[in-house]
Parts: sequence; C-alpha cells; structure tokens
Amino acid sequence: DTEVTQTPKHLVMGMTNKKSLKCEQHMGHRAMYWYKQKAKKPPELMFVYSYEKLSINESVPSRFSPECPNSSLLNLHLHALQPEDSALYLCASSPLIPTYEQYFGPGTRLTVT
Amino acid sequence: ELKVEQNPLFLSMQEGKNYTIYCNYSTTSDRLYWYRQDPGKSLESLFVLLSNGAVKQEGRLMASLDTKARLSTLHITAAVHDLSATYFCAARRGTSGSRLTFGEGTQLTVNP
Repeated sequence: DTEVTQTPKHLVMGMTNKKSLKCEQHMGHRAMYWYKQKAKKPPELMFVYSYEKLSINESVPSRFSPECPNSSLLNLHLHALQPEDSALYLCASSPLIPTYEQYFGPGTRLTVT
Repeated sequence: ELKVEQNPLFLSMQEGKNYTIYCNYSTTSDRLYWYRQDPGKSLESLFVLLSNGAVKQEGRLMASLDTKARLSTLHITAAVHDLSATYFCAARRGTSGSRLTFGEGTQLTVNP
C-alpha cells in the first residue's frame, strides 16, 4: 500500500465550529506532516511528527491542533477558524531514512464561512 | 535561511518542443525533490535527487542535480499535452531532518 488517505475531501465550517481532518498511511513511515496550500502557491509546512511525537510546529495558530494517535494516523483538530484559513490541507508521510521522500494525500479542501 | 527559486514561473510551450525548468537553492542541501501537481489535486512525487551529479529520468522528464552550483534542472523532452501541470522543486533544509522548502512552482502549459 503506497497511499496516503485523507478524509473528508471537502469541508465547509463556520467560524464557531469544531471539526477534525484525518490522515492515514500504511507504508510504515515514521514521519507525518500537515501542510496548508493556498491557490497558486506552494505548500506551507504546519506540523511534523516523528515517531508519533511532535517535532516541528511552524508557529501555527493554536486554533489548529495536531494529534498523532499512532504511527499510521494523523489528525488535525480545527476550532474557531477564520475565513483566511480556507485552503487545501495536505497530509504527507515519509520514511526517515534515507530519502525522506514525502508522499502526499489527496487533501481536504476546507472552506471557512 | 534556505531559499528556493524556480524559473520560469510560467511556461507555455508547444507539443514536441524541449524545455528546461531551473531550480536554484541558496544554502547547502543534500536532497532535492521534484513534484507535480495537477489543478485541484495533490502533489505527486517525481524525482528524489540525493547526490551531486545525480540524474534521473522517467518518460519525457529528466532531472539532474549540481550541488556545487546549488542547481537542479527538470528537462522536458518532446512535450505532450499530458505534461501540463505545476511543477515544484523542494530542497531539504540542512542535512538532517525532513523539513522541506518549496519553490514557487512552474505552471507548465503544453499547447497542441
């Protein structure tokens, strides 16, 4: 299995809602990532988990809360988002050696109203 | 701080022609990646380049890496419409960890 899956594909939420994005991989990768991508822009790294521990937080606002329940799953909990948070949220996973090649999921298209 | 610059940012070419996309990075990096993204879709890994002089080819695409010049190229041979997409290069920050810095992307359109 060389796939990263993400659910849901689309999400519309109000600014007072709480929702979660889910990501799963079964490639045995021990690093998992959350990226945010705006239209016509490159992905921006948000969080990195290595061996199920948060290793990088790119100064992301606390309204985004990541969680890694086990080596295959990654969640992103959303609360009190702003309209400017509307974007494509991409999950990726990678081995930690030797290539660190990141495999991306299909993404969740998030719209905050 | 690692910066990655791609050029051109927009490329319109005719089918059958050849062209090269350039990716310069500002500080030492030991891994260079190329990704493809179709509109509204996710990123697809094309190439991982690990060492100076590395060259990889897949179909009409060939990628190379010159670590001394801090330059990677993606060469397109005899372009076809199916290659129309946005191409990103990304360099690993430093020589450890898995944090990438992406270029701005090259939006390629291949016209019949």
